[in-house]
Amino acid sequence: QITLKESGPTLVKPTQTLTLTCTFSGFSLSTSGVGVGWIRQPPGKALEWLALIYWDDDKRYSPSLKSRLTITKDTSKNQVVLTMTNMDPVDTATYYCAHWDCSGGSCYRFDYWGQGTLVTVSS
Amino acid sequence: ETTLTQSPAFMSATPGDKVNISCKASQDIDDDMNWYQQKPGEAAIFIIQEATTLVPGIPPRFSGSGYGTDFTLTINNIESEDAAYYFCLQHDNFPLTFGGGTKVEIK
Repeated sequence: QITLKESGPTLVKPTQTLTLTCTFSGFSLSTSGVGVGWIRQPPGKALEWLALIYWDDDKRYSPSLKSRLTITKDTSKNQVVLTMTNMDPVDTATYYCAHWDCSGGSCYRFDYWGQGTLVTVSS
Repeated sequence: ETTLTQSPAFMSATPGDKVNISCKASQDIDDDMNWYQQKPGEAAIFIIQEATTLVPGIPPRFSGSGYGTDFTLTINNIESEDAAYYFCLQHDNFPLTFGGGTKVEIK
């Protein structure tokens, strides 16, 4: 059974750096074809993809946020960490992580999601 | 970047209705479209992959259609438990993009 859970601060101040951790179980990020992505949703707005890291440490970022994002993985801890620098009130959102699997000849992209964590940016 | 225009943003349905949700892509994305259901405070549920394939375990009243730029999620004989937020995702190209979402209310 695959599960993912996001954790991190609920409140950050403008200009601070946000660090979020996705802790997962039921799969390994050392398995070929597997990845974990981050997505966010501001209150009342649409979802926005942020970043994706693959088993081989290949990374993809949203072009509009690339300069502010870093995604890393710790395979031994079953964790993926997203950092976002220079936080602003417009970054207030629920942040989700999700599983990506293109192993075994088929692809299941974002087939499992965490429940999300709400991050508020305010002074 | 592929923009996904999802409509309607909100709809109200009566149990037993047939509901259609549209997602239009700004460029050809083949069948690289997924659909999801999300309820408040819960993890999103993967319901349709590759535009038309029902994810195992999802009730058959859900179906997906479309190819290229026009896609539709259909819920036949909608039930009260289907009240949720539905959204589409294109994974044809990076950056991955989502539709604006549809909130479905059951009367």
